[in-house]
Amino acid sequence: DTAVSQTPKYLVTQMGNDKSIKCEQNLGHDTMYWYKQDSKKFLKIMFSYNNKELIINETVPNRFSPKSPDKAHLNLHINSLELGDSAVYFCASSQVGTKNIQYFGAGTRLSVL
Amino acid sequence: DAKTTQPNSMESNEEEPVHLPCNHSTISGTDYIHWYRQLPSQGPEYVIHGLTSNVNNRMASLAIAEDRKSSTLILHRATLRDAAVYYCILRVMEYGNKLVFGAGTILRVKS
Repeated sequence: DTAVSQTPKYLVTQMGNDKSIKCEQNLGHDTMYWYKQDSKKFLKIMFSYNNKELIINETVPNRFSPKSPDKAHLNLHINSLELGDSAVYFCASSQVGTKNIQYFGAGTRLSVL
Repeated sequence: DAKTTQPNSMESNEEEPVHLPCNHSTISGTDYIHWYRQLPSQGPEYVIHGLTSNVNNRMASLAIAEDRKSSTLILHRATLRDAAVYYCILRVMEYGNKLVFGAGTILRVKS
């Protein structure tokens, strides 16, 4: 049973399209995150939600909109995709107070053509 | 953002201990030192963390300098499955548990 699962694993799309990536965690955690890992392999936090409330938003373009329908899910919707959005996107979760260790999903590789 | 400095890469022989260093001279009193690793084509994985004292768990040991300006992750017996990028991170103590990843150290393990 995968703790943090992301779908799809691979996403290939054209510039200008809108796409979504879904994330679900079954660990009972109250905090979820989205990270972006670019071609140079740097991992950068994009967003963090605690109990469905946005708490970190790291200067990400407005085309990126996270949605948390409940604390087990954090989806990422991207409008008007650009070439520079090509990257691997990782979802993670943690529980505030219990060492705050983050558990990551396997990643979604997004390729914008 | 709190900054760490690690060697770009290191190499080890299988079954030998590996010491991965990290400098964090700007660490503040409440910053925890976390280590994560990322195996090829996988998401990052928690390894260990500490504040002031040395720590051991089933994966590794963490040795923290007395002034806390540096730390060393110790893998006691490297295996081929330990080949990964190892990230030393200062966990910023603000609500939201922000992790700021650096470039990390690429660990290569030779058989």
